[in-house]
Parts: sequence; structure tokens; C-alpha cells
Amino acid sequence: EDQVTQSPEALRLQEGESSSLNCSYTVSGLRGLFWYRQDPGKGPEFLFTLYSAGEEKEKERLKATLTKKESFLHITAPKPEDSATYLCAVPVNTGFQKLVFGTGTRLLVSP
Amino acid sequence: NAGVTQTPKFRILKIGQSMTLQCAQDMNHNYMYWYRQDPGMGLKLIYYSVGAGITDKGEVPNGYNVSRSTTEDFPLRLELAAPSQTSVYFCASSLPGEEQYFGPGTRLTVT
Repeated sequence: EDQVTQSPEALRLQEGESSSLNCSYTVSGLRGLFWYRQDPGKGPEFLFTLYSAGEEKEKERLKATLTKKESFLHITAPKPEDSATYLCAVPVNTGFQKLVFGTGTRLLVSP
Repeated sequence: NAGVTQTPKFRILKIGQSMTLQCAQDMNHNYMYWYRQDPGMGLKLIYYSVGAGITDKGEVPNGYNVSRSTTEDFPLRLELAAPSQTSVYFCASSLPGEEQYFGPGTRLTVT
């Protein structure tokens, strides 16, 4: 069964304290992986797409990496505005219409 | 561009009532999707469409119906609402094989 697991469920950081979020998956044939950010009461906001193992992408304080079994979202020197739930999702068909989402990591960054 | 819009933002239904959740996008995306998000659970795909007149079931389609008569609109119909349909509903759209863009959500309570 296709499955996406995110850890930790929740993470509390001090401003400036770097850390990493994990997304591990079991799918038959990796086609790509998406990272989203979701603020309370809002829809998910797209961050990154990674297509193959070894690929990395960066945006401001965020850096996403991908291996054959998992992806990491590294947060460098976070600020309070980085507080959100971070979701990862994996397509399970070639057309990318069907995504399996993880349950997310709730990140809280304190000043 | 407004992106993906959803109406209403909130709704309370009585058991057995019906309603339609509206979704529209102005990005000329071929693909559109409906998800539900329950507390502590990942987003679950209800239905999706790859173009006008073409729809298909996702992971949790029971109790819902969709239609797609135009590229822009993708309404979700709930017939005979049940408490198990209490959730937050998100509509999304995408180009083929690319990231999905989400609307702001509709919070539905069935009592």
C-alpha cells in the first residue's frame, strides 16, 4: 500500500535554531515528491517539487532534499513567520492526478 | 489572477440535507481535484477531473458527486449529508504532471 509518513508530528524551535523535517514514503516507483506549507484555516501552499533522488531545491530559509526512501525539509535559522504545518505528498500514478499526503509536521518557531 | 476560489467558506447542514460546494479556477488548468481534510489525517482525494466532461473517483468518493461542464468550474455535490462528512473541503487545480494549487477551503459541519 502506498504510504507517506512525516516526522516529527510537532516541532518547537527557538528563532534561529535550525532543524529538519522528515517525509518517508513507500510507493511503487517514485515519480516525484511535493512539499507544501499550510497555515491555520488556509489551503496548502506549494513550496517544492523534487523529481529524482539526489535532487535539492532551496527557497529562502528552506531546503528540500530527496533520497530513494525519504525527503528532508531543512529549515535554517527559522523565524516566527515560518510557523506552519508542512505537508509532503507523493504521486501514485503517472499523470500525477492522485497524490498521497502525509499528516504533516506542525512547526512552531518562538521569538 | 484570483487562483482557486471556493464558496461558501463555512456551512452547517442538518443530517439528510444536500448541498453543492463551488470551486472555480482562472489559471486555465486542465486538472481539478476535491480533497477532504480531517483533524490528524492527511488530505484525502475525493474526486478529480482531467478536463471538461471527464471525472474519476479518488480514495474516498462515497457520498459525493461531481461534474465538470467547463474548464473553470468543478462543483462537488453532497447528497443526504451525514455526520461523517463533517470536514474541511479543499479544491485544487493543476497543469498535467505539475504541482497542485489549492483554494482556501470550505468548513462543513453536519449535525
